[in-house]
Amino acid sequence: NAGVTQTPKFQVLKTGQSMTLQCAQDMNHEYMSWYRQDPGMGLRLIHYSVGAGITDQGEVPNGYNVSRSTTEDFPLRLLSAAPSQTSVYFCASQGPAGVPGELFFGEGSRLTVL
Amino acid sequence: RKEVEQDPGPFNVPEGATVAFNCTYSNSASQSFFWYRQDCRKEPKLLMSVYSSGNEDGRFTAQLNRASQYISLLIRDSKLSDSATYLCVVNPTGGYQKVTFGTGTKLQVIP
Repeated sequence: NAGVTQTPKFQVLKTGQSMTLQCAQDMNHEYMSWYRQDPGMGLRLIHYSVGAGITDQGEVPNGYNVSRSTTEDFPLRLLSAAPSQTSVYFCASQGPAGVPGELFFGEGSRLTVL
Repeated sequence: RKEVEQDPGPFNVPEGATVAFNCTYSNSASQSFFWYRQDCRKEPKLLMSVYSSGNEDGRFTAQLNRASQYISLLIRDSKLSDSATYLCVVNPTGGYQKVTFGTGTKLQVIP
């Protein structure tokens, strides 16, 4: 099983550039989310979605956009990259089956903004 | 006060030792609690849920103290492979909610 797949795994951007981090899951999970992880800060929720066509902001949404056109895909867009967005980004999904509350994470995308 | 707080460590323990981590949470109405494990430069993975009555999975024991608002993780007979960062996770109401992660406690098991 592929689980949650994130691409790219590594990316270097210049300030002001835009890009999209891709996330796909094959577990038919309704809930998907994006986190960023920074040293000493833990995982912080950027955006989340409870189903196709429904998205909402998390704790740190500024500078990021998301959409959920299908159950499987939940891309994260950086509109105009800033050095403060240098981080490791994790996509996660959660479904009704399995352990309640268990989040399944992708392998992460390491982004550096110069 | 942070919603979820953990001692960042690192906890350096010899193989075979018993080590315990605590995690405090601020929302007294929180309903679901978990421990996740994160290896260096990897994604977090669920280690175990934490139930009100306490629960055990092999060498790992998780406990919940609602009165004092903390959860704990006890690891017995530490193995080198237990070296990782342990994340405390609190889900305020269960279901599809915005879970809150602690910053993690780093464990290093030494030969």
